[in-house]
Amino acid sequence: DVKVTQSSRYLVKRTGEKVFLECVQDMDHENMFWYRQDPGLGLRLIYFSYDVKMKEKGDIPEGYSVSREKKERFSLILESASTNQTSMYLCASSLALNIQYFGAGTRLSVL
Amino acid sequence: EDKVVQSPLSLVVHEGDTVTLNCSYEVTNFRSLLWYKQEKKAPTFLFMLTSSGIEKKSGRLSSILDKKELFSILNITATQTGDSAVYLCAVVKGGSEKLVFGKGTKLTVNP
Repeated sequence: DVKVTQSSRYLVKRTGEKVFLECVQDMDHENMFWYRQDPGLGLRLIYFSYDVKMKEKGDIPEGYSVSREKKERFSLILESASTNQTSMYLCASSLALNIQYFGAGTRLSVL
Repeated sequence: EDKVVQSPLSLVVHEGDTVTLNCSYEVTNFRSLLWYKQEKKAPTFLFMLTSSGIEKKSGRLSSILDKKELFSILNITATQTGDSAVYLCAVVKGGSEKLVFGKGTKLTVNP
């Protein structure tokens, strides 16, 4: 069965903190993605990776960075968290067929 | 600019009703269209549509694509309270692993 695991369901951080969101997939997928989901705005792509150590900016990369040192793990980093980064963060992975499989999401609150 | 528009944005029905959700798109180099169901957490994959006029069916859910008129519909017959969710439509562009998402339709099925 397809499995994408995000390390935290809920996270509360303070403004200015460095935040790491972790995502692991066990399907040997090449592609991994980070989205944020906000009411009225839908899912917006932050970054994606199509191979180890390879990354590409999505539609809203500002304020974020990513790391992919191993095929199964894709991390999203908020270098200095701000209140406008309070959101639901979703990780996904896919093979070349483009069906993306999603993790359960991390609801991040930045105070 | 690529665009995926879902309608209606929200819908409230009674158990047993039949509903039709709409997804129209303007995307360069269209490859396929995906439907997802999102309850409280991760979007789960429902259908992938690549060819016009071929209905995909799973139980009470079915979907069809019209590549000439650039839209897809998702039908749910004999709705149940467990069908309450946000339904997301996404388009895959050729030459890209990225999805272009609509904002979703929130379906509420009342007993």
